[in-house]
Amino acid sequence: EIVLTQSPATLSLSPGERATLSCRASQSVSSYLAWYQQKPGQAPRLLIYDASNRATGIPARFSGSVSGTDFTLTISSLEPEDFAVYYCQQCTSWPLTFGGGTKVEIK
Amino acid sequence: QVQLVESGGGVVQPGRSLRLSCAASGFTFSRYPMYWVRQAPGKGLEWVAHISYDGSNKYYADSVKGRFTISRDNSKNTLYLQMNTLTAEDTAVYYCARGTGNLNFDYWGQGTLVTVSS
Repeated sequence: EIVLTQSPATLSLSPGERATLSCRASQSVSSYLAWYQQKPGQAPRLLIYDASNRATGIPARFSGSVSGTDFTLTISSLEPEDFAVYYCQQCTSWPLTFGGGTKVEIK
Repeated sequence: QVQLVESGGGVVQPGRSLRLSCAASGFTFSRYPMYWVRQAPGKGLEWVAHISYDGSNKYYADSVKGRFTISRDNSKNTLYLQMNTLTAEDTAVYYCARGTGNLNFDYWGQGTLVTVSS
């Protein structure tokens, strides 16, 4: 099973600041990693697929990148609606697995 | 627009069974793989099961293998999850999700809560 480790667990930032979220895979997943955003009481929403492709309707301030087994989700300038929990998910082998999540909270 | 609406959740005693349904609309259901993903209260996301577009291939998380069965009725645009021998560890919000071709999920339902408790 591929283990995904997300860091930090919590990120305290102010609106307008840059957010950098990390997801490390225990083995290679190539570029087959997705990012989701989840707000309280809501279902997750797909943000990024294949490491760096924005899903339909996702603003350009969200971007993803990869270096080896290290994946990064960057929010260039936080909007009030971006404060949420973010999960990564590997899309390469069964069982599909998620990281533990990073909560982006208002500082 | 794509809509996924889960139903069938509720409170059930340990050891009992429950069947969840997910009604799909706004897309050609029979062309997409479908998934169940769950989230225990206050916890992260856990993939539960996958079914291919035609129902010929199914995969399960080890935590539910042998107890849960995923199925679909393409004539009714509906996805199912039959859950048997439920335990407290199965308590969660269960989401159905539409799959892309790349083992990720582009649309999610609002979820249905399953509580296993005596």
